[in-house]
Amino acid sequence: NAGVTQTPKFQVLKTGQSMTLQCAQDMNHNSMYWYRQDPGMGLRLIYYSASEGTTDKGEVPNGYNVSRLNKREFSLRLESAAPSQTSVYFCASSEYDWYSGNTIYFGEGSWLTVV
Amino acid sequence: RKEVEQDPGPFNVPEGATVAFNCTYSNSASQSFFWYRQDCRKEPKLLMSVYSSGNEDGRFTAQLNRASQYISLLIRDSKLSDSATYLCVTDKLIFGTGTRLQVFP
Repeated sequence: NAGVTQTPKFQVLKTGQSMTLQCAQDMNHNSMYWYRQDPGMGLRLIYYSASEGTTDKGEVPNGYNVSRLNKREFSLRLESAAPSQTSVYFCASSEYDWYSGNTIYFGEGSWLTVV
Repeated sequence: RKEVEQDPGPFNVPEGATVAFNCTYSNSASQSFFWYRQDCRKEPKLLMSVYSSGNEDGRFTAQLNRASQYISLLIRDSKLSDSATYLCVTDKLIFGTGTRLQVFP
């Protein structure tokens, strides 16, 4: 059971470049999330998708866009990368939306460095 | 004030010790809480859920105090393998910054 799979695992970008982080889950979950984790800041929600076809901003959405391509896939795009976006990015999913207090499952993380 | 606050630690304890972490939350509307464990350079994984006053799973006990708005995690008989960062999470998926535990021989 793969769970939540995200790619790439490591990426180095130059300032101004764009890239897309891919995420897919095979648990038939309705809700998906993108978090970033920085030292001393904990995990912060960037965007989430409560169900297929919907997306909403989280705590730190600036500089990012998302696409819920179908029930399985939720991608995160950096249009013009900045050094402040250097972070570890985690995709996650849960059976129902976050207000239901469901357990969330994380992917293994994507280490992104912007130089 | 942050919505979820945790003592960052590190807590350095010998094998076999009992250690407890606290987590305070500010949103009184939160009904359920979670403790996640995160190993270095790995993803967080669910350790325990807390829906009422408490929950126990082997050496781990989580307690919820709604009046004082905090939850605690107690680890008994610490093992070397318990070394990790422990994240407190609300049902609104707000994460604390984590408490680092280091168990030494």
